Amino acid sequence: GQQLNQSPQSMFIQEGEDVSMNCTSSSIFNTWLWYKQDPGEGPVLLIALYKAGELTSNGRLTAQFGITRKDSFLNISASIPSDVGIYFCAGPSASNTGKLIFGQGTTLQVKP
Amino acid sequence: DTGVSQDPRHKITKRGQNVTFRCDPISEHNRLYWYRQTLGQGPEFLTYFQNEAQLEKSRLLSDRFSAERPKGSFSTLEIQRTEQGDSAMYLCASSPGGFNSPLHFGNGTRLTVT
Repeated sequence: GQQLNQSPQSMFIQEGEDVSMNCTSSSIFNTWLWYKQDPGEGPVLLIALYKAGELTSNGRLTAQFGITRKDSFLNISASIPSDVGIYFCAGPSASNTGKLIFGQGTTLQVKP
Repeated sequence: DTGVSQDPRHKITKRGQNVTFRCDPISEHNRLYWYRQTLGQGPEFLTYFQNEAQLEKSRLLSDRFSAERPKGSFSTLEIQRTEQGDSAMYLCASSPGGFNSPLHFGNGTRLTVT
């Protein structure tokens, strides 16, 4: 079945550092989504990617849709304490119902 | 746009009791999804509604689980005879449908079965 693998599983960085995380799959995805989840809350959409090779930014966040359509990357520049949370990649399932398959998440901790 | 609303936010129940959660999607979103999330994992799909029709159910949804969306607006998720393994965050999401519409999530209901 479709699965998404995220790495690293967790990161502990100093405020101001840049962060990079990725998501890979053995299946091709036509859309890649990146969500952030704060403790006790639901995931919030950060960036959506719809085209292979696409590079999209949202403030300090930049995400890329891999050329092979089997991976995606999320970069955060100049991290701040409020970047703390769990970052999930997600892609639509092959069932065409709009449901999403999620990776297991990358937990980010930022030391002030 | 008031966002997806879920109630209650937290529920503690004893094993064997029944519980029901409610989700109010973003108005005019015709697609509604229920997900379950356990600690350290990403959300896992449970079931999907297009308007009032339940069109897909995961194998995770045992016969103790039932979901409804009677008028195509709010939805309920009921768990009968709860077990400790049911302890999780239950997330609801909605989307307007259409090609590649992202899902908008509520803040979930945290269920603890003692």
